[in-house]
Amino acid sequence: AQSVTQPDIHITVSEGASLELRCNYSYGATPYLFWYVQSPGQGLQLLLKYFSGDTLVQGIKGFEAEFKRSQSSFNLRKPSVHWSDAAEYFCAVASNDYKLSFGAGTTVTVRA
Amino acid sequence: EAGVAQSPRYKIIEKRQSVAFWCNPISGHATLYWYQQILGQGPKLLIQFQNNGVVDDSQLPKDRFSAERLKGVDSTLKIQPAKLEDSAVYLCASSPRGTTSTDTQYFGPGTRLTVL
Repeated sequence: AQSVTQPDIHITVSEGASLELRCNYSYGATPYLFWYVQSPGQGLQLLLKYFSGDTLVQGIKGFEAEFKRSQSSFNLRKPSVHWSDAAEYFCAVASNDYKLSFGAGTTVTVRA
Repeated sequence: EAGVAQSPRYKIIEKRQSVAFWCNPISGHATLYWYQQILGQGPKLLIQFQNNGVVDDSQLPKDRFSAERLKGVDSTLKIQPAKLEDSAVYLCASSPRGTTSTDTQYFGPGTRLTVL
């Protein structure tokens, strides 16, 4: 069965600084990988997804993620964080039976 | 395009009471999902519908949880009777097909349930 680990429970970053959120997955076949963001009181919004091809994926809101098969990782990055990026971020992997397995999430706090 | 709608947004009940949540997916989406998100954890799939049929309910505690999707559109998730450990956010999601791993799931705002 597939699984996702997000090693960082909480990250604090200054506005304008860069952000990197880690995600490691476990899955025997080619993974389908997703990053979602959840703002307080909101549902999950898809930031980006990786299925195949270019290992650097561009998403919405200036986010990007890089798939590294050798490290079983799919880390999310943003060069310059805005206060509105404060939220909880979830990495997820989909299996061949189309089910999503989510990590426990990383909460991002942005300080002025 | 309207998103996934859920109601109510918040619900507080006593243990052993019953509660029901409603979800209206994005128009035309064939697949509907119910997730349970306990505080500090990622969402966990409870049940998946393809049109009005159940595809997967292996994680649904069937002794107390039930769900239906009549006419293949909106859906209701019920808990009867509720336990303290059912306190969570219940998320509904829909996807256009659900028959491919590349299908994107779109999530509603969720219903926050507190069981006292």
